[in-house]
Amino acid sequence: EAQVTQNPRYLITVTGKKLTVTCSQNMNHEYMSWYRQDPGLGLRQIYYSMNVEVTDKGDVPEGYKVSRKEKRNFPLILESPSPNQTSLYFCASSLSGWNTEAFFGQGTRLTVV
Amino acid sequence: SQQGEEDPQALSIQEGENATMNCSYKTSINNLQWYRQNSGRGLVHLILIRSNEREKHSGRLRVTLDTSKKSSSLLITASRAADTASYFCATDARGGSEKLVFGKGTKLTVNP
Repeated sequence: EAQVTQNPRYLITVTGKKLTVTCSQNMNHEYMSWYRQDPGLGLRQIYYSMNVEVTDKGDVPEGYKVSRKEKRNFPLILESPSPNQTSLYFCASSLSGWNTEAFFGQGTRLTVV
Repeated sequence: SQQGEEDPQALSIQEGENATMNCSYKTSINNLQWYRQNSGRGLVHLILIRSNEREKHSGRLRVTLDTSKKSSSLLITASRAADTASYFCATDARGGSEKLVFGKGTKLTVNP
């Protein structure tokens, strides 16, 4: 089954404790992206990747890192999480750019206390 | 930065009625997409309409695009309680942007 898998689905952590949210897609998609969703602000793009070893900042990249060492994986790293990074995070992938359908993971609800 | 803006922010209708949601955007686009999100879940793609298309249908969904007005509409006919969800438009931007930018969404409630 074609899917984008994020882990974990829920995470509560403390300020400053490094964490990684994993994202994996099994559709051989070139494009991958991370979004955060906050009430009243909609979805905002954090980082995106057009292919292996190619990543770029989205609209809200501060406090986040990403890597794209393999085509299928696009982990989101929070080196020193802060409470303002409490949010619902989504990973998405697309075959060959954002002029094709994007597939979304089920989301990771992160709480930083 | 938000490219698309949906209108209305919230819409409540009775089952069987039609629901219309609108999206306006600022810059020229290559395509516009509509997505649905059930509460707290991942987004699901509904329809993609390209800048050279004016109308597209998929089942009970009808999407129109007016590039001169920089606007699109999503019509759901004969709505069902299961259509209750948030609906988002998303655009890329003509001119090289490699980003897919979402609006803030319309929250649709279909009452049984």
